[in-house]
Amino acid sequence: DTEVTQTPKHLVMGMTNKKSLKCEQHMGHRAMYWYKQKAKKPPELMFVYSYEKLSINESVPSRFSPECPNSSLLNLHLHALQPEDSALYLCASSQISGTEQFFGPGTRLTVL
Amino acid sequence: AQTVTQSQPEMSVQEAETVTLSCTYDTSESDYYLFWYKQPPSRQMILVIRQEAYKQQNATENRFSVNFQKAAKSFSLKISDSQLGDAAMYFCAYRSRGTYKYIFGTGTRLKVLA
Repeated sequence: DTEVTQTPKHLVMGMTNKKSLKCEQHMGHRAMYWYKQKAKKPPELMFVYSYEKLSINESVPSRFSPECPNSSLLNLHLHALQPEDSALYLCASSQISGTEQFFGPGTRLTVL
Repeated sequence: AQTVTQSQPEMSVQEAETVTLSCTYDTSESDYYLFWYKQPPSRQMILVIRQEAYKQQNATENRFSVNFQKAAKSFSLKISDSQLGDAAMYFCAYRSRGTYKYIFGTGTRLKVLA
């Protein structure tokens, strides 16, 4: 299994809602990443987990809350988002000592 | 801090022709990796090719090859025999060994003309 899966594919939420994005991989990768990508822009790193512990937080607002419950799963909990948070949210994974990342298809989030 | 620069926002190539996408980077590290990723419209980002900085030999993957010039900090991607399916946004990316942070360039949108 060489893929990263993300659910849901699309999500529309109001500014008062609470929702979660889910990412899963079964490649044995112990580093997992969340990125935010606006249209025609490169991915912006949000969080990195290594060995299920948060390694990097790129000063992301607290309305985004990551969670890594086990080595295969990565969640991103969303609360009180703003319309400017609308974007494609990408999950990726890599081996700890590996080189490239493997990306999921993304969740397209719209905040109304 | 490391930076990655892609100076061509958009490129076009005729089907079956060859095109080269440019990427330059800045780093004080000696051990790092460079990548080209492809992101077709509304589709998944996939790795096209990677290069380890300590390897002098340029990486190749079928129709894709790189010209890695370490001293010049240049990492261009050549696509030979271009196909319609090559149309996508191409991102150059950098990662220092021992870190988890990948630094992406701003991307080059490649159009393939039939």
